[in-house]
Amino acid sequence: AQSVTQPDIHITVSEGASLELRCNYSYGATPYLFWYVQSPGQGLQLLLKYFSGDTLVQGIKGFEAEFKRSQSSFNLRKPSVHWSDAAEYFCAVGAGYGGSQGNLIFGKGTKLSVKP
Amino acid sequence: NAGVTQTPKFQVLKTGQSMTLQCAQDMNHEYMSWYRQDPGMGLRLIHYSVGAGITDQGEVPNGYNVSRSTTEDFPLRLLSAAPSQTSVYFCASSYSGLPEDTQYFGPGTRLTVL
Repeated sequence: AQSVTQPDIHITVSEGASLELRCNYSYGATPYLFWYVQSPGQGLQLLLKYFSGDTLVQGIKGFEAEFKRSQSSFNLRKPSVHWSDAAEYFCAVGAGYGGSQGNLIFGKGTKLSVKP
Repeated sequence: NAGVTQTPKFQVLKTGQSMTLQCAQDMNHEYMSWYRQDPGMGLRLIHYSVGAGITDQGEVPNGYNVSRSTTEDFPLRLLSAAPSQTSVYFCASSYSGLPEDTQYFGPGTRLTVL
C-alpha cells in the first residue's frame, strides 16, 4: 500500500540556519509528490510539487525539494530559516487512492520550531 | 474570489447529535474532498467528489455522509456524532482532480464531540 513517512515529529533550528525535512514514500510507480505547510490555526498551503523531469524543484518562500528515486525520498530544504517558517510541514503523495489520482496520502507531519 | 470556505469554524456537539459541515468553493473546481486531521496522524481522506452528482469514499468514511448537488458545494454530514469524530476537518478542491492540479484547502472546522 502507498504510504508516506516523515521520520521527524519535531525539529528545532536557529534562525538563519539551514533546514532539511525528511520524507520517504512507498509507491510502485513514479509518484506525484507534494509538500504543504500549515501555520497555526490555518489551512494547508502548497509549497511545491514534483511530477517528472528535473529532480530538484523550487517552491514558494525559498523552499526546494529533491526527488531521489533510489532512496524513495523527497526531502524539503531551505538554506536559511526565518522565524516566520515556524509551522507544521506535511509531505504527501498523489497515488490514486480510492480511484482518483487527485486523492492525497499525507505523512504525519513535522513541526518546525525556530529559535531566535 | 474567496477560494474555499468552510463553516462553522468551531462546533461543539453532544454524542448522538447530527450536524452538517459546510464547504463551498467559487473557483469552478470539479474535484472536492474532505479530510480530517488528528494529532500525530496527518490528514486522512474521508470522502471525495470528482463532479456534481459523483461521490466516493476515502480512507475513513464511516460515520460520515456526503452529497454533491452543485459544483460549488460539498457538505459533510455527521448523522450521529461520536467522541471519536472530534477532529479538525478540512475541505479541499482542485480543478479536475488530476494530481497535477493544485489543491486548495479551506481554513478548517474544529469539531468537539462530548
